[in-house]
Amino acid sequence: GAGVSQTPSNKVTEKGKYVELRCDPISGHTALYWYRQSLGQGPEFLIYFQGTGAADDSGLPNDRFFAVRPEGSVSTLKIQRTERGDSAVYLCASSTPPGTHTDTQYFGPGTRLTVL
Amino acid sequence: AQSVTQLGSHVSVSEGALVLLRCNYSSSVPPYLFWYVQYPNQGLQLLLKYTTGATLVKGINGFEAEFKKSETSFHLTKPSAHMSDAAEYFCAVGAGSGNTGKLIFGQGTTLQVKP
Repeated sequence: GAGVSQTPSNKVTEKGKYVELRCDPISGHTALYWYRQSLGQGPEFLIYFQGTGAADDSGLPNDRFFAVRPEGSVSTLKIQRTERGDSAVYLCASSTPPGTHTDTQYFGPGTRLTVL
Repeated sequence: AQSVTQLGSHVSVSEGALVLLRCNYSSSVPPYLFWYVQYPNQGLQLLLKYTTGATLVKGINGFEAEFKKSETSFHLTKPSAHMSDAAEYFCAVGAGSGNTGKLIFGQGTTLQVKP
C-alpha cells in the first residue's frame, strides 16, 4: 500500500518568506508526527497529532512554526518569516491508533528546506 | 527526561565482518527502544524495537539488538555485513508522556561496508 508522502520534496526560499510543507499519512493512521533533521543530526521531534488535535507541540522551536491537521488526515507544517537556521529536512511520520510508545512510526521521505 | 547516545558517528567494516553499532539511553521510566535505518534519499525505516518481554530482539535484514537494563544499552548487531547495509542508523527512545509516541533520536551512526 501507499506509504507516507510529503510535498514538495525540495523547497528553496528566501529569508523572511512563508512556507508550507505538506504530509499525507498512511490511510487509517490517526497519529501523525513532524520531526526536523538538521545536517549530521538525528531527527528532532516537533509536534504530534492525534486525530485533528495537536496532543503535544512541545518541540516547536518558536511561534514562527505552526502545524494543522483540520480533517484528521493531511497535515501542513507552516513556517513564517523563515530564517537560515530553519534549513533542514522536515520529516513526517504516522502510526496506527492509538499512537503510543510502542507503535511503529512510518516515515515519509522528507522535505528538504533551504533558506537562502 | 530521556536521551540517547550513539557511540561512534562513523563505523567501517569489511563485507562479511561483524557489525556492532552502539547505543546507550537514559530514561526515568521503563524505556521503549528502536533502531531505524536511513538509506540515501529515503525515509527512515524501522529495523527493530524493544517494548517489553524478551530482551533479545530480532529485526529485518538479519539485524538484532539486546536490551541490557544494567548497562542502559541497546546495541545493534549483525553477524555478517553486506554491501547493502551501508546506510545511516539511528537509535531512538520513546519519550512521550501519556499516550504520545514521540521519539528521541541519537545523532546517528554512518555504516560503511568495504568490499
